[in-house]
Amino acid sequence: NAGVMQNPRHLVRRRGQEARLRCSPMKGHSHVYWYRQLPEEGLKFMVYLQKENIIDESGMPKERFSAEFPKEGPSILRIQQVVRGDSAAYFCASSPPQGAGGYTFGSGTRLTVV
Amino acid sequence: GESVGLHLPTLSVQEGDNSIINCAYSNSASDYFIWYKQESGKGPQFIIDIRSNMDKRQGQRVTVLLNKTVKHLSLQIAATQPGDSAVYFCAENRASGSRLTFGEGTQLTVNP
Repeated sequence: NAGVMQNPRHLVRRRGQEARLRCSPMKGHSHVYWYRQLPEEGLKFMVYLQKENIIDESGMPKERFSAEFPKEGPSILRIQQVVRGDSAAYFCASSPPQGAGGYTFGSGTRLTVV
Repeated sequence: GESVGLHLPTLSVQEGDNSIINCAYSNSASDYFIWYKQESGKGPQFIIDIRSNMDKRQGQRVTVLLNKTVKHLSLQIAATQPGDSAVYFCAENRASGSRLTFGEGTQLTVNP
């Protein structure tokens, strides 16, 4: 029973390039959450998705960032025209349908912008 | 040893001692709370959770206490081991299935 799978584990991008981070939730989980963690800081909520729906994107920067969770395939967090300040660890969590609790985190993608 | 959250983000204890990590939350509507352990370079790992209709829950070597009156959560680790060294985060949410809000974390260091 695989956990939450994130890839790539490490991603290096030059300023101005695009970064795509992927997250496959646990089997049976239909809710996906993305968090960003800067060094020596806590996890900051970015976006909460269900299949084909964005439920809460209040933590997403207004520009350059987008997320999707299509009917088939993993959830994608996309960062366009990356800047050095985007360098961080991005974690994905998934949970079962509402009411069941049980958030499980992936191992994260560490994005470095050079 | 005991932490006081943001004012003491690090906690150093001797192996075998009990550790207490504290967390204050602000939203009285929060009804679900989780403690996570995060080791360097890894994702948060679930330790224990508690719902707002409880004030205490025990796991293996860990106990979570919830005081809703003062909006305070604590994690007690019995007989702390070197493998317990990590950053510990509390997290809360307001309704099942909604987003988690994390505290800033406490770095626990266990000295042999």
